[in-house]
Amino acid sequence: GESVGLHLPTLSVQEGDNSIINCAYSNSASDYFIWYKQESGKGPQFIIDIRSNMDKRQGQRVTVLLNKTVKHLSLQIAATQPGDSAVYFCAETPREYGNKLVFGAGTILRVKS
Amino acid sequence: ETGVTQSPTHLIKTRGQQVTLRCSSQSGHNTVSWYQQALGQGPQFIFQYYREEENGRGNFPPRFSGLQFPNYSSELNVNALELDDSALYLCASSRSTGNEKLFFGSGTQLSVL
Repeated sequence: GESVGLHLPTLSVQEGDNSIINCAYSNSASDYFIWYKQESGKGPQFIIDIRSNMDKRQGQRVTVLLNKTVKHLSLQIAATQPGDSAVYFCAETPREYGNKLVFGAGTILRVKS
Repeated sequence: ETGVTQSPTHLIKTRGQQVTLRCSSQSGHNTVSWYQQALGQGPQFIFQYYREEENGRGNFPPRFSGLQFPNYSSELNVNALELDDSALYLCASSRSTGNEKLFFGSGTQLSVL
């Protein structure tokens, strides 16, 4: 969902369950998308990326799905672990921007043990 | 760790002062981008440097300026600090200005009193 300021949406999951984090992007001309994970006191850490000519890409325990029709991106994390607790951001790069990222608002993922 | 280092990690300034933040890019990366991240929000693009020249700028006033050096390291300068400049300033490096992964440093936390 969308949020403003300090009221980031929060997803709470039980350890071992799968997590799905959603993102709506804004620019239909965007052709490259990235998911970042940000832990407290650290910079964003690259998780996985996908180009607009694909609709799915898998990494280790993570999968990104891209639906260009509705401008929707999702990140699936399998067997969520306590170390996955962080804020997750999707970012898009409108084609004319090169690699200048436009970030979404972020989602807090809390993993309960 | 990404190999992108930023200094200082924390800084406290008063309104009206000037500040310089520094960034060393990851080995092999020639492009440096700067982002501002306010509390509870996603990073916002300030500007990017490539071959020692500004290569794109976000919606930030001229009192935000930068430099890139021959070794690809970079500085962000902010003049006439305002209270709203309080934020985490992130530096990211990449191999080029195209659609490439950006690798972020841990940031400089700037507080303006």
